[in-house]
Amino acid sequence: EIVLTQSPATLSLSPGERATLSCRASQSISSYLAWYQQKPGQAPRLLIYDASNRATGIPARFSGSGSGTDFTLTISSLEPGDFAVYYCQQRSHWPPITFGQGTRLEIK
Amino acid sequence: QVQLVESGGGVVQPGRSLRLSCAASGFTFSNWPMHWVRQAPGKGLEWVAVISSDGSTEHYADSVKGRFTISRDISKRTLYLQLNSLRAEDTAVYYCARSGLVRGVNAYHFDYWGQGALVTVSS
Repeated sequence: EIVLTQSPATLSLSPGERATLSCRASQSISSYLAWYQQKPGQAPRLLIYDASNRATGIPARFSGSGSGTDFTLTISSLEPGDFAVYYCQQRSHWPPITFGQGTRLEIK
Repeated sequence: QVQLVESGGGVVQPGRSLRLSCAASGFTFSNWPMHWVRQAPGKGLEWVAVISSDGSTEHYADSVKGRFTISRDISKRTLYLQLNSLRAEDTAVYYCARSGLVRGVNAYHFDYWGQGALVTVSS
C-alpha cells in the first residue's frame, strides 16, 4: 500500500501570502497524484490531477508540481476562501487508492 | 450539470446492515467507474470501493472487504453500497464520487462528489 505523508499538519498564513503544501509518497507514483480542498461540512473538491493539471474551474493561483515521490501544491496568493483542509491522493498503485492525512491551512 | 445525491444513512446497531444509494444525473452514468469514499468524524478521507462502468468489476479496501458490496443499476442511474456486519469504526460520512478522465481515459481520481450520507453505528 502506498502511504502518502503530508506536511506540515497545520500551516498558518495570512491572506495574500504564498502557501506551499507538501505530499511525499512511500514509493514512486510517477505523476498520478491529485489534490483536493475540503471546507467544513462540505465534500472535497478536486483541485489538481496528475500532479500539475488544474481541474475545471480551478483558479490559476492553485498550481501543482512534482513527480516520483515528492509533490507540492502551491497557492500563489491566499484568498479568504482558501483556508481549508487539503488532501493529496494517489492512483498509481491500487487497490487501495490512498489519501494523505491532510494539511489544515488556517488564518494567522 | 453533474449531480450525485446520496441517501440511506442513519443510526444502526453494531452487526446490523444498511444500504446507501447515490442517484446520478447530468452525465452518461454507464460510461464512468464510480467510487465510495468515507470520512470518520474529524478524520481524513478513506477510499472504500470502486465499481467499473459496466458493473462487472469491483475492488474494495481491506477494511471493508467481505462486509460491504458496491453495485450499480444503470437503468436507474444509481450507485449502491450495501453495508453488512457494521462496526463502530464504520461510523463515517459516506461520499459517492465519480472517476475523473484523462485524455478520454478513466482515471482514478475523483472529479465530482455527492454531499455525503452519515452512517452512525452505535448500540
